[in-house]
Order: sequence, then structure tokens, then C-alpha cells
Amino acid sequence: NAGVTQTPKFRVLKTGQSMTLLCAQDMNHEYMYWYRQDPGMGLRLIHYSVGEGTTAKGEVPDGYNVSRLKKQNFLLGLESAAPSQTSVYFCASSPSDTQYFGPGTRLTVL
Amino acid sequence: GEDVEQSLFLSVREGDSSVINCTYTDSSSTYLYWYKQEPGAGLQLLTYIFSNMDMKQDQRLTVLLNKKDKHLSLRIADTQTGDSAIYFCAPGGGAGNMLTFGGGTRLMVKP
Repeated sequence: NAGVTQTPKFRVLKTGQSMTLLCAQDMNHEYMYWYRQDPGMGLRLIHYSVGEGTTAKGEVPDGYNVSRLKKQNFLLGLESAAPSQTSVYFCASSPSDTQYFGPGTRLTVL
Repeated sequence: GEDVEQSLFLSVREGDSSVINCTYTDSSSTYLYWYKQEPGAGLQLLTYIFSNMDMKQDQRLTVLLNKKDKHLSLRIADTQTGDSAIYFCAPGGGAGNMLTFGGGTRLMVKP
């Protein structure tokens, strides 16, 4: 099993550009999550999904959208990137309790 | 919402025990997790404890939970240089089992 994978690993955007981050898991987990991690801080939940076709807002959802069209994939979209969205983004999946994390995507918005 | 507090930094000598502390506010947390993050890497699950337990031991790791004081600790016995990392406390539970992370404790192990 590859576990949780994230694409891309690094990305630099200009303000106003859009992009989509992809998270994939091959463990047949129901739950999936998107977090951001800023320097010196813990992870903050952006959005999450408790099953295919469902999404819900987390602690810091503004400026982001998500979709879970397939059980194994959870997409995070930035429609109009802002410098405040410069961060490291982590995806996680869970069967119901323990969350397993991907390696992260480092995003810089200039 | 839940608040989770951790001290920022801990320095120990190789071979000593390390104790990392965490306090939280939501008494309804069902599971309480400890994750480890090495530089430039994702989060690695270390261990967790159910809220109805007081203690859990897993090889060099001991987790203590004081529900009354909402205090969680992680003890690492015989700390090694490879244990140098940031450690995050994360209580969770409820619908979707959302986790709330503390700010992390940076553990530095000196040879």
C-alpha cells in the first residue's frame, strides 16, 4: 500500500492564480481531511469528508473548496490564491478513528 | 472550540527520559493522540490513548491521562538522538473524529 499520497510536493503561485491539490489514499478509508500548517504552529483543519460525495467545513475553510467525487481522492482547490495561503498543506485519511497523514505539499503564493 | 496547549521546547541528554506535557479544554475528547514530525516530513502517529484509560505503555513510550485536570503527557524512556523532532498532542472525537492540534513541542536530544 502506498498509504496517503499528495500531489504536487511543491508549488509556487502568483496572487490570483488557481490550483488544485490532490490527495489519494489506497486504504479504503471513509474519512479524509485537509489541514494547513504554518510556521511554529500546529495543524489547522480546513475541510473534511466523512464519505464519498460529502464535505464539511473545518476551522479555517475560507478561500478553499473541496470535492470528494471518488472515495480514494480528496481535492483541495484554491480559486484565487492569496499570500496568506502560503503554507504547508497536509492531507489525512482515517477508517474512523486514527488519522494517517500524507507527506505534505509546500505552497508559496507570491 | 477546543484549545490545546504545549510547551514550545524541551532539551534532554541522550539516555535520559523525556516528558512532554499537553493540556486541553474539551472534556468530551474520545481519543487523545501523539504525533511526531521530523523536519520536512509529514506527521507520524506515535501512540494514542482512549479517554477511559489512565495510562498506556508502548515500548519506550508511556502516555498518562488525567481527565480531571485535562492533562496528557508523553514519556519517552532512554531518549535517543533519533527522537529529536516536534511532538504534537491532538485530542479528537465526535462526528468525523476531528482532531485539534497543539502547537507542538520541539524535543532536542543532546549526545
